Amino acid sequence: DQQVKQNSPSLSVQEGRISILNCDYTNSMFDYFLWYKKYPAEGPTFLISISSIKDKNEDGRFTVFLNKSAKHLSLHIVPSQPGDSAVYFCAASRGNYGQNFVFGPGTRLSVLP
Amino acid sequence: KAGVTQTPRYLIKTRGQQVTLSCSPISGHRSVSWYQQTPGQGLQFLFEYFSETQRNKGNFPGRFSGRQFSNSRSEMNVSTLELGDSALYLCASSQGLAGDTDTQYFGPGTRLTVL
Repeated sequence: DQQVKQNSPSLSVQEGRISILNCDYTNSMFDYFLWYKKYPAEGPTFLISISSIKDKNEDGRFTVFLNKSAKHLSLHIVPSQPGDSAVYFCAASRGNYGQNFVFGPGTRLSVLP
Repeated sequence: KAGVTQTPRYLIKTRGQQVTLSCSPISGHRSVSWYQQTPGQGLQFLFEYFSETQRNKGNFPGRFSGRQFSNSRSEMNVSTLELGDSALYLCASSQGLAGDTDTQYFGPGTRLTVL
């Protein structure tokens, strides 16, 4: 049973436009969420996080929105750049001591010049 | 500050063999987590070590084990390898601060191929 889902395996966006990556979770105990970006042959890189006490967190071109009632979060990238082309993983945890994040399967974003 | 390093980067083994992977965390980080990444299952949590103790464990069979040394370096061992163990194994380190979920920094991974 996948607790964290990213239903779009891939997404193509034109450079300069907005990229919206979606993530759904099933476990209502999750209270901390992260987005990671991964380039080929490299480990994932932390992008942005949000805790359940917030519904929005912004960092430069990246904004994460959390809708707790819908158990849904999204990552907005504005404006999208070709260097943003990567696989994006959504991850969730219960925010306890441990780092046992549950990851989604990832969405491959391609930003077309 | 040097990042998380993993050795070896690539490994080829045959079924039934065992393998040991190594991870050196960022200096000062006390928590090391291991993940398995496969095309079908995505990133799955294996276990986390903090101050030489296993603090959390995912849903993997006992063939997967690990340990952490006093310098926070960690090793992961897989015994009796199966074809399905072919994957990218990622190590991540963090400060492991109590009462919070701090940021993990990932290494480049070890790609294990089981023939």
